[in-house]
Amino acid sequence: GAVVSQHPSWVICKSGTSVKIECRSLDFQATTMFWYRQFPKQSLMLMATSNEGSKATYEQGVEKDKFLINHASLTLSTLTVTSAHPEDSSFYICSAREMNTEAFFGQGTRLTVV
Amino acid sequence: KQEVTQIPAALSVPEGENLVLNCSFTDSAIYNLQWFRQDPGKGLTSLLLIQSSQREQTSGRLNASLDKSSGRSTLYIAASQPGDSATYLCAVILPNSGGGADGLTFGKGTHLIIQP
Repeated sequence: GAVVSQHPSWVICKSGTSVKIECRSLDFQATTMFWYRQFPKQSLMLMATSNEGSKATYEQGVEKDKFLINHASLTLSTLTVTSAHPEDSSFYICSAREMNTEAFFGQGTRLTVV
Repeated sequence: KQEVTQIPAALSVPEGENLVLNCSFTDSAIYNLQWFRQDPGKGLTSLLLIQSSQREQTSGRLNASLDKSSGRSTLYIAASQPGDSATYLCAVILPNSGGGADGLTFGKGTHLIIQP
């Protein structure tokens, strides 16, 4: 299957700082990228959907000013957690797909805010 | 709103047994359904993708069935091995208003332990 690379795999940051997570499609053009979040013992929840060159569409309850998503190219999307707080500590995972084909997932990023 | 339920939440069986994991969803108008495996602290590994027009998919010892009308899918694992121990997630994809596919809605998963 296609490869989606997510970086970093884990990050620890201080409360109040911002953290950027990158998601790259390595061998296909990702017209659509999705960002998910998973709290311990919970299911993955879709945070937002982004189409290349367009503003992201956020799910209900997800603050767009806190979770900034950029999808400026067909191979890269970034999620920036601004002014992170301990309650933002979670497992963040991206997925990418080309047109309406199968979506492939990155390895995930474990964010810990201290 | 689509809801996905997985039963059981946890399962522990001896090595070699055949087992069935269940997934149900509330909105039958799905684009497709996908089963994943997640190891502790790791990302997702896609196991099987079933298009809405299909009734089952097979890969090695895994077989997934889909009954859209009743909103159910099962994942059958034959001759289980300790390496199969993981959390298995079911996810459905709904069509969006543009005729394409939306993001995935996941169940909470079944935590599977295969005892050696």
